Amino acid sequence: DAGVTQSPTHLIKTRGQQVTLRCSPKSGHDTVSWYQQALGQGPQFIFQYYEEEERQRGNFPDRFSGHQFPNYSSELNVNALLLGDSALYLCASSPRSGEADTQYFGPGTRLTVL
Amino acid sequence: QKEVEQDPGPLSVPEGAIVSLNCTYSNSAFQYFMWYRQYSRKGPELLMYTYSSGNKEDGRFTAQVDKSSKYISLFIRDSQPSDSATYLCAMSVHAGNNRKLIWGLGTSLAVNP
Repeated sequence: DAGVTQSPTHLIKTRGQQVTLRCSPKSGHDTVSWYQQALGQGPQFIFQYYEEEERQRGNFPDRFSGHQFPNYSSELNVNALLLGDSALYLCASSPRSGEADTQYFGPGTRLTVL
Repeated sequence: QKEVEQDPGPLSVPEGAIVSLNCTYSNSAFQYFMWYRQYSRKGPELLMYTYSSGNKEDGRFTAQVDKSSKYISLFIRDSQPSDSATYLCAMSVHAGNNRKLIWGLGTSLAVNP
């Protein structure tokens, strides 16, 4: 059983560019959450997708947008990149029907903005 | 005041020691409490989750929740060098569609052989 997968592993962009990160959830999971983790910090919640809709959103600007596909995979898009967007971007999946929100994480995409 | 507070450490212990990691929180509505382990440059890995107050044991790991004190702990017995990682607590309110996890900053642990 494949766990949560993310691509690409690493990415280098310049300020002002746009980036798309991809995530495939764990088998049987239908909810995908995205997090940003700066070095030495805990994950910061960006948003969560379920049934192809954004259900919750953290304190991130509209430059951060996402999408969920019918097969439950998801994309995170960031426009007009800033230096401060450099971080590890984590995708987590969970089953909606689960009792607890036990989220399983992918390895992350490390984004560097120059 | 942050919703979840966690001492970032770093914590350094000899192999075989008992390790105690702690988080405090302010939101009394939190119902689910998780502990994640994160190795360097990897995604967090779910270790344990507990619901409400009490203890839960899994091998060398014990998770403890005291809702009256708004305090959770993770104990690691017979710590091993492979336990060296950052440990993150997370908690959530399970109410309808509100399933957002709130995270601590993480505690960095080094177990020395």
